[in-house]
Amino acid sequence: EIVLTQFPDFQSVTPKEKVTITCRAGQSIGTSLHWYQQKPDQSPKLLIKYASQSISGVPSRFSGSGSGTDFTLTINSLEAEDAATYYCHQSRSLPFTFGPGTKVDIK
Amino acid sequence: QVQLQQSGPGLVKPSQTLSLTCAISGDSVSSSSATWNWIRQSPSRGLEWLGRTYYRSKWYIVYALSVTSRITINPDTSKNQFSLQLNSVTPEDTAVYYCARAYCSGGSCYFDNWGQGILVTVSS
Repeated sequence: EIVLTQFPDFQSVTPKEKVTITCRAGQSIGTSLHWYQQKPDQSPKLLIKYASQSISGVPSRFSGSGSGTDFTLTINSLEAEDAATYYCHQSRSLPFTFGPGTKVDIK
Repeated sequence: QVQLQQSGPGLVKPSQTLSLTCAISGDSVSSSSATWNWIRQSPSRGLEWLGRTYYRSKWYIVYALSVTSRITINPDTSKNQFSLQLNSVTPEDTAVYYCARAYCSGGSCYFDNWGQGILVTVSS
């Protein structure tokens, strides 16, 4: 099973600030890494696929990068509506696994 | 537009069977490019993938090793839905259960549509 770790666990950020979340895989997964946003009492929502590919309807301030074992989700100019928990997910091999999440709070 | 509508009880007694259904609209359970998945989320285990079913000239069903002895996932083409059964539940199976569609390309998949989630509590 491929273990994903995320850091930080929690980040409190001022609006318009830049947020960077890191996801590290226990072994190389190429670009089979996807990012999701989950707000309280909602289902996860796909933000980025295959490490860096954008999703239709997702604001352009969300971007992803990385390959192999190290990946980054960046939120440029954070908005209040971005308060949520962010998860990475690997689909390189079964079982599919998720990171533990990074909670982003608005100051 | 794909929508997944989950149904099933929110309370199950220990040792009994958890049963959930996910009705699909806007796509087909027999789709040649999608897989149909069950995922659960709890504070102690985070997001945990449980298994999937998909059709590629024949039906495939794959389970996570952590639940393989207790789980059954079945597609139902007549109702365009798929189901989850988890046997011999314990309080550790208490979680929010999601169904999700995964779009797959070259063997790599991402979850692009999720059901609304159902909190299932295992308690007597």
